Amino acid sequence: QSALTQPASVSGSPGQSITISCTGTSSDIGNYNYVSWYQQHPGKAPKLIIYDVSNRPSGVSNRFSGSKSGYTASLTISGLQAEDEADYFCSSYASSGTLVFGGGTKLTVL
Amino acid sequence: EVQLVESGGGLVQPGGSRRLSCAASGFTFRNSAMSWVRQAPGKGLQWVSAISGSGDSTYYADSVKGRFTISRDNSKNTLYLQMNSLRGEDTAVYYCARHTGGGWGQGTLVTVPS
Repeated sequence: QSALTQPASVSGSPGQSITISCTGTSSDIGNYNYVSWYQQHPGKAPKLIIYDVSNRPSGVSNRFSGSKSGYTASLTISGLQAEDEADYFCSSYASSGTLVFGGGTKLTVL
Repeated sequence: EVQLVESGGGLVQPGGSRRLSCAASGFTFRNSAMSWVRQAPGKGLQWVSAISGSGDSTYYADSVKGRFTISRDNSKNTLYLQMNSLRGEDTAVYYCARHTGGGWGQGTLVTVPS
């Protein structure tokens, strides 16, 4: 069982916006602004797309955005494209000095 | 630009040892807490071990405690993971990650036949 809770799957049509949630506790998401999101295509390494809740590394499309409210972080993908179909993982810094991860969400573009 | 480059993976026999390295650049390494994270085939991401910026504090997942040792050389901007008594369940791609400010490597594969 993962420390952070993500939906197993989400789906959307091209051009739509979708949001993936990531729920933690007061020991991680609720107390720190250090949430990251990763995108992983089949057979590829995970790619960091959001760090520190809402920052995008250089080269990541601005269609990806992150936010946080309370114990829940969210990844929003706007203008959904076929290439966005992938697995998405969240992580957070935790009070134990460690990182905690979500179990991953499979995004299907219909 | 933040860069993390892992190396040292390979095929290791059960009970064997391996040392992974992660070369960091583009940020002040000594100020950054770091972790090793792994992904077994077909599985999600699993945190393995963490170390503070100074190296004074270290943390381990229960599954590797007593077998793995994390360390860092701030003069070389390099993070290490010494893995001993390797088992089949340690087979995974290992990534280094910066706790804050972004940073994630491309991974290095460790294979331990079971």
